[in-house]
Amino acid sequence: GAVVSQHPSWVICKSGTSVKIECRSLDFQATTMFWYRQFPKQSLMLMATSNEGSKATYEQGVEKDKFLINHASLTLSTLTVTSAHPEDSSFYICSANRDGETQYFGPGTRLLVL
Amino acid sequence: AQSVTQLDSHVSVSEGTPVLLRCNYSSSYSPSLFWYVQHPNKGLQLLLKYTSAATLVKGINGFEAEFKKSETSFHLTKPSAHMSDAAEYFCVVRRNSGNTPLVFGKGTRLSVIA
Repeated sequence: GAVVSQHPSWVICKSGTSVKIECRSLDFQATTMFWYRQFPKQSLMLMATSNEGSKATYEQGVEKDKFLINHASLTLSTLTVTSAHPEDSSFYICSANRDGETQYFGPGTRLLVL
Repeated sequence: AQSVTQLDSHVSVSEGTPVLLRCNYSSSYSPSLFWYVQHPNKGLQLLLKYTSAATLVKGINGFEAEFKKSETSFHLTKPSAHMSDAAEYFCVVRRNSGNTPLVFGKGTRLSVIA
């Protein structure tokens, strides 16, 4: 089946630093990828839609200047958490759609901001 | 707007007994519905999907779900629970047709007792 990878799987950083998370579609091209956020014991909430070659579309309430998304190629989207704070600590998950019907999810990146 | 409601936050069953995880949906048109499973510290895995074909959908690991338009339901079932089924289960609807984001239910935690 389709595979989506994320890197890193775990990251711990100091408050005020920036963290970049990569999402790759390993065996297919994805013009659109999605970034979700999951707090402990809660559901996934969509943050933004990443579009290859154009600006990302952010959900209401998500700060685009804080969560920078770049989709520079058909297999890579990156999410950069800028000036991270403890409240940004969360589980970040990306997904990509290969066949127009099924979204394949990455394994997630757990961010802890100290 | 499309949405799903998972009626139980936690379900506990004995090993070997049937599993029923309930989900109701709200949609202005014929929806695409999914069930995903999330094991601890692992990524989301697609169990099954409904995309306006057969109303009884068979998925992996013995799970199946039936789309009932009259009841706006898409309940997940399995005849006999296994210990390895213990996980978080999400009922999911696509926001719109095509390559659009997913809207997640709040999740149901399934516990399987030996």
